[in-house]
Amino acid sequence: EPEVTQTPSHQVTQMGQEVILRCVPISNHLYFYWYRQILGQKVEFLVSFYNNEISEKSEIFDDQFSVERPDGSNFTLKIRSTKLEDSAMYFCASRSGTDSSYEQYFGPGTRLTVT
Amino acid sequence: KNQVEQSPQSLIILEGKNCTLQCNYTVSPFSNLRWYKQDTGRGPVSLTIMTFSENTKSNGRYTATLDADTKQSSLHITASQLSDSASYICVVTTFDRGSTLGRLYFGRGTQLTVWP
Repeated sequence: EPEVTQTPSHQVTQMGQEVILRCVPISNHLYFYWYRQILGQKVEFLVSFYNNEISEKSEIFDDQFSVERPDGSNFTLKIRSTKLEDSAMYFCASRSGTDSSYEQYFGPGTRLTVT
Repeated sequence: KNQVEQSPQSLIILEGKNCTLQCNYTVSPFSNLRWYKQDTGRGPVSLTIMTFSENTKSNGRYTATLDADTKQSSLHITASQLSDSASYICVVTTFDRGSTLGRLYFGRGTQLTVWP
């Protein structure tokens, strides 16, 4: 069964460093999302992406964040200068363009630890 | 403000017992409501989805209900198993005006622990 994959599973970085989180959405899906979940808190929407551009972004998604679909398979989230409060689980999700239920399929997540 | 609230925050039950988890939401406009199961360190996995016109939806031992008038939903788990131990998250989808992608609003989840 197709699934969303994410790498790495755990990333440790120092404050101020740039990190790139990678996601491979389900093949043929057209809509892509990033979410984050700070430990013990609810999952929060960051950004949605469609047709090679950002469709929506939350107030969390400031200038330090960017997303890219560099090729036909990968979808990346870049944090330019990490802060301690960026420590969280980051989930990628994708959705097909034909599913009337608009279901998003989530990856296993990348745990980002900023020290 | 669009919000999803869940109760209880945590729940411990014995294997084989039933339980019911609650979700209240203020998200508008409403598109659909899903219940997700999230195992520790994993991404959420969808259990059920209900639209405005649906009152109940079952998926094996999981039965979800929706009252769109009171904006409440519940997830009932019957004959619980050890593998049911996880966080159960209520998620409401809305389509903001002009948006075609939809926005998901997550509850904080109910942490269910099933003991043998």
